[in-house]
Amino acid sequence: QKEVEQNSGPLSVPEGAIASLNCTYSDRGSQSFFWYRQYSGKSPELIMSIYSNGDQEDGRFTAQLNKASQYVSLLIRDSQPSDSATYLCAALYNFNKFYFGSGTKLNVKP
Amino acid sequence: EPEVTQTPSHQVTQMGQEVILRCVPISNHLYFYWYRQILGQKVEFLVSFYNNEISEKSEIFDDQFSVERPDGSNFTLKIRSTKLEDSAMYFCASSPRTQPLSSYNEQFFGPGTRLTVL
Repeated sequence: QKEVEQNSGPLSVPEGAIASLNCTYSDRGSQSFFWYRQYSGKSPELIMSIYSNGDQEDGRFTAQLNKASQYVSLLIRDSQPSDSATYLCAALYNFNKFYFGSGTKLNVKP
Repeated sequence: EPEVTQTPSHQVTQMGQEVILRCVPISNHLYFYWYRQILGQKVEFLVSFYNNEISEKSEIFDDQFSVERPDGSNFTLKIRSTKLEDSAMYFCASSPRTQPLSSYNEQFFGPGTRLTVL
């Protein structure tokens, strides 16, 4: 069974702080990884994807991948109340099959 | 900005009935997916579809489920005989990926159809 694990939270950070979200995966064959944001009752919205070891930055978001440790993270700088949502980590396996974690709920307090 | 659309937004059905959930993927996308999310649980992969055939399916996607691309725009998920445990939000997604064996597989989700089985 291929698993993607996330701490369910909630993770509470003050406005303007850095939020750090983490994810581990069980299958070393996973090719790439994705972070989605999901507001309550809504569909997942893609934030970032990462395929290679190291960091990838997009605006206030930085994704980090360490394949040796089977670890993916997402940093959100200058967190805003509008960032409050559940963040889903997903792993791609066999080029066509995705496994999602249960998500980490983030609360950004004004 | 193009987006994935899904109809209906909410479907209520009786146990044992057949339902068809409809999706219109983004027009130049080549890969299509169905997921479900039971309330309070994780998003679960059901099936991926490319070039008019199933590419991958999960253990959930048993003989009660089928997918079809009946024309150039629609992508449907059929559940033949619904069970109470099929109650969930069903999401369609599409991807513009141009190569079958590619890690560059960003997916864009539709708004979902909430299926309630009574």
